[in-house]
Amino acid sequence: EAQVTQNPRYLITVTGKKLTVTCSQNMNHEYMSWYRQDPGLGLRQIYYSMNVEVTDKGDVPEGYKVSRKEKRNFPLILESPSPNQTSLYFCASGARYEQYFGPGTRLTVT
Amino acid sequence: AQSVAQPEDQVNVAEGNPLTVKCTYSVSGNPYLFWYVQYPNRGLQFLLKYITGDNLVKGSYGFEAEFNKSQTSFHLKKPSALVSDSALYFCAVREYGGSQGNLIFGKGTKLSVKP
Repeated sequence: EAQVTQNPRYLITVTGKKLTVTCSQNMNHEYMSWYRQDPGLGLRQIYYSMNVEVTDKGDVPEGYKVSRKEKRNFPLILESPSPNQTSLYFCASGARYEQYFGPGTRLTVT
Repeated sequence: AQSVAQPEDQVNVAEGNPLTVKCTYSVSGNPYLFWYVQYPNRGLQFLLKYITGDNLVKGSYGFEAEFNKSQTSFHLKKPSALVSDSALYFCAVREYGGSQGNLIFGKGTKLSVKP
């Protein structure tokens, strides 16, 4: 089954404790992206990757890091999480005209 | 700069009635337009897209959307709403020739269909 998977689905952590949210796709897509969803703000892009070893900032990259060492994986790293990073995070991978989204990761930073 | 506007935070419709969820866009070139739906506690699902050709695009679950270039709009429609259509709907745009896959999303419209 074609899918994008994310782990964990839910995470509660404390300020400053490094965390990684994993994302994996099995569709051999070159393009992958991370978004955060906040009430009233819709989806905002954090980072995206056009291919292995190629990443670029989206609209809200501050406080986040990504890497793309393999085509299928695109982890999101929060080196020192802060409460304003409490949000719902989505990973997506894409063909030219369509993106496929993961189920989301709900992150709470206290 | 590209942008998408969904002017209604919420749309309320009675089951069986037609529904419209509005979207307007702004791009400097030709647009690629998309609608996605998000059911509670789920990720976004692709509904339909306009790339070129016929202005009326048909998608999943009986939804359709009409591209209107003069009004820069791409409204989502369905002739007869179902309670199960209740969800959050996002319009998105990508500029022709823009970075592959990069989409600009609207803020979303919550559709509530009552029995």
